[in-house]
Amino acid sequence: ELKVEQNPLFLSMQEGKNYTIYCNYSTTSDRLYWYRQDPGKSLESLFVLLSNGAVKQEGRLMASLDTKARLSTLHITAAVHDLSATYFCAVKAAGNKLTFGGGTRVLVKP
Amino acid sequence: SAVISQKPSRDICQRGTSLTIQCQVDSQVTMMFWYRQQPGQSLTLIATANQGSEATYESGFVIDKFPISRPNLTFSTLTVSNMSPEDSSIYLCSVEKGLGNEQYFGPGTRLTVT
Repeated sequence: ELKVEQNPLFLSMQEGKNYTIYCNYSTTSDRLYWYRQDPGKSLESLFVLLSNGAVKQEGRLMASLDTKARLSTLHITAAVHDLSATYFCAVKAAGNKLTFGGGTRVLVKP
Repeated sequence: SAVISQKPSRDICQRGTSLTIQCQVDSQVTMMFWYRQQPGQSLTLIATANQGSEATYESGFVIDKFPISRPNLTFSTLTVSNMSPEDSSIYLCSVEKGLGNEQYFGPGTRLTVT
């Protein structure tokens, strides 16, 4: 059974500093997804990582994938208040279904 | 991308009753998924709904409790039957589209059972 673990579960950030969220998964997969969820809202797709060594960047967010280590990271550069949200990673298993990590709640303080 | 709508957006229901949630997509998709997000928790897949066949349920979810219909390639319903307060959650439908197999989520249905 595929297991997906995120850490940390909660991240208090200072504006302007850099932080990383980690996503580990237990079995081989060729797709890893990152989503953002604002309170009371649905999930917004951030990145889809398709292969080993994949790196994608959008604004202050950068995601990477190491399929050999079964690890993805979401790096936040120079955090700003607008990035406060909960971030989820999800891994695609057989049957195209996603298994989600527990989420990382990010709070960016001035 | 995909534009997904869900109805209702929220509801408050009595214990023992049933609620049917609708999911409409703006284009044809092969696979639709139903997820549950309990308060403060992550998402858990309930079932995969394919047009023309029975839904495939995940461990811990059964058809009698969560019957699903998929009458065509743009629409699906999830019914939460014989509700109890433990069913209070956000229910989200999702579809897979595009070359990168992106998965898009609907706005969710926030269900409170009293």
